[in-house]
Amino acid sequence: GAGVSQTPSNKVTEKGKYVELRCDPISGHTALYWYRQSLGQGPEFLIYFQGTGAADDSGLPNDRFFAVRPEGSVSTLKIQRTERGDSAVYLCASSLDRDNNEQFFGPGTRLTVL
Amino acid sequence: ILNVEQSPQSLHVQEGDSTNFTCSFPSSNFYALHWYRWETAKSPEALFVMTLNGDEKKKGRISATLNTKEGYSYLYIKGSQPEDSATYLCAFLSGAGSYQLTFGKGTKLSVIP
Repeated sequence: GAGVSQTPSNKVTEKGKYVELRCDPISGHTALYWYRQSLGQGPEFLIYFQGTGAADDSGLPNDRFFAVRPEGSVSTLKIQRTERGDSAVYLCASSLDRDNNEQFFGPGTRLTVL
Repeated sequence: ILNVEQSPQSLHVQEGDSTNFTCSFPSSNFYALHWYRWETAKSPEALFVMTLNGDEKKKGRISATLNTKEGYSYLYIKGSQPEDSATYLCAFLSGAGSYQLTFGKGTKLSVIP
């Protein structure tokens, strides 16, 4: 079946602009996660959704970052007033539920802020 | 803050060589350790989920071991092939019910034909 998909695969934007990154999880997976991999680092947790609600957003770096999952499937990560330090690969993952720990990852969106 | 370390950061091996690399993680409050293979422009692919001390898992030419008491896991690749070239990530889960994977920085493997 289809895996996790993310769009766009690459996004180049200018400092100060607004961007949206989309994640389509595996059908039927109730848990969805966003991670961010900055250059030279491992992926770092941003936010976790169980169904439609953000159960844990403790990894979001500041209030410029926001994510939604209105219908419990597709999720959008939104970044306002982008900064050069936001440049990274943004990974989305889904799992059947929170207690099933195997997380399936999408290919990521590479965001470059000029 | 959980600290997950991987070594080496990168390595180059000749086709046919066997290789291994290390992931170290906190030995307290262990729940699971995940290994992923991440090829450029593709999704990170789950290799193993390891939960029990002394676990040894194998998938084709790749195997992994786990020592939760001392906080390390080894990944072995036997007879490396060019298609094994990728970044290998380990990720630690602490405590039952945890869902935040804490990743190491990865080991970038290049297999030279």
